[in-house]
Amino acid sequence: QKEVEQNSGPLSVPEGAIASLNCTYSDRGSQSFFWYRQYSGKSPELIMFIYSNGDKEDGRFTAQLNKASQYVSLLIRDSQPSDSATYLCAVNSGLTGGGNKLTFGTGTQLKVEL
Amino acid sequence: DAGITQSPRHKVTETGTPVTLRCHQTENHRYMYWYRQDPGHGLRLIHYSYGVKDTDKGEVSDGYSVSRSKTEDFLLTLESATSSQTSVYFCAISEATPNTEAFFGQGTRLTVV
Repeated sequence: QKEVEQNSGPLSVPEGAIASLNCTYSDRGSQSFFWYRQYSGKSPELIMFIYSNGDKEDGRFTAQLNKASQYVSLLIRDSQPSDSATYLCAVNSGLTGGGNKLTFGTGTQLKVEL
Repeated sequence: DAGITQSPRHKVTETGTPVTLRCHQTENHRYMYWYRQDPGHGLRLIHYSYGVKDTDKGEVSDGYSVSRSKTEDFLLTLESATSSQTSVYFCAISEATPNTEAFFGQGTRLTVV
């Protein structure tokens, strides 16, 4: 059983629309939740993270967390072709001393069409 | 961009040969990590380090060893490479503060033939 589940996609949205990316996780002790974006052949780069229930907004991006349902999502408003990438959900169960023990989903491929 | 450099960026090696990948950071972060990324599996943690000479295993550590003799360098060694270790390897770093960002290096594409 995978610990972090994402729909692999591709998720296709028209330019200017809202893209909704979803992630579920199994470890109830998870402390924080990260969304990374990865372009083909490149390294993951952080978009945002969240650790409290509710919504967190940063520009066009909103992360939503529901710990009771073990669900985290990322909304991208006004989607642009440059948002086309694979989005990785990562769940942090923490390490003694403050490090990150990240478990990643397999990623959702987003395609923003003109 | 976080100062992380991986070397080499690409490598082709033969089955049974030893291979060492290097990760170098200029951020003085305490934690360093090695991940591998494979289609259908996502990123998986191989080993991590929480200080000089302090390392621990991740979820896919079999066949790999690591060493950290200096804060800035974290080495990943495949003692005897196998075809199943063909992958893209990423190094990451993070501070010793809970729930902070992990920064990733550019990746090393390793092919074992």
